[in-house]
Amino acid sequence: QQPVQSPQAVILREGEDAVINCSSSKALYSVHWYRQKHGEAPVFLMILLKGGEQKGHEKISASFNEKKQQSSLYLTASQLSYSGTYFCGTGASNDYKLSFGAGTTVTVRA
Amino acid sequence: ETGVTQTPRHLVMGMTNKKSLKCEQHLGHNAMYWYKQSAKKPLELMFVYSLEERVENNSVPSRFSPECPNSSHLFLHLHTLQPEDSALYLCASSQVHGSNQPQHFGDGTRLSIL
Repeated sequence: QQPVQSPQAVILREGEDAVINCSSSKALYSVHWYRQKHGEAPVFLMILLKGGEQKGHEKISASFNEKKQQSSLYLTASQLSYSGTYFCGTGASNDYKLSFGAGTTVTVRA
Repeated sequence: ETGVTQTPRHLVMGMTNKKSLKCEQHLGHNAMYWYKQSAKKPLELMFVYSLEERVENNSVPSRFSPECPNSSHLFLHLHTLQPEDSALYLCASSQVHGSNQPQHFGDGTRLSIL
């Protein structure tokens, strides 16, 4: 079953912050985050593994809460280049494959 | 050169045609994937190859036939497709097969079925 992402879309002004959530009904082993710009390939941002470690990629960071079976992606001081659709991909403990959320479209305006 | 290259970028075909999508990765990875991306829907995993062996076939109709001749190349052969098969088809690769492995995607092939 696919994870649920929220919100579906968010509009920001440059410099504002946003949080994207990814929730699963299954016990999670890994959470991936990708960003896809229109007409381009999804680009890997970061992966979080079971253990609750927070990771960062420039001013984009993520957390993983195993007990709640969810991950959150934090966009801090957003830049125009942050615009795109963000996908989470989740891996269960007993499964090699990823299940992806439907995506959150982020629009950053000047 | 980009890590994962897909050709063609766009393909229009009739329901009775036969065509193939090609994916090539230059990253030295051992696992390759086919995904279907439809508007407003999550990425759907179709097939997974690990060390040139198919390890996942996600209930995909037989009108889609994958082929992995070596660890760098992956094909998706198409025949007798339906209008609902119109979508973006993405290829990805990872170092090895596993949910703890980052995946590197190609730009995709935009497929339209007439």
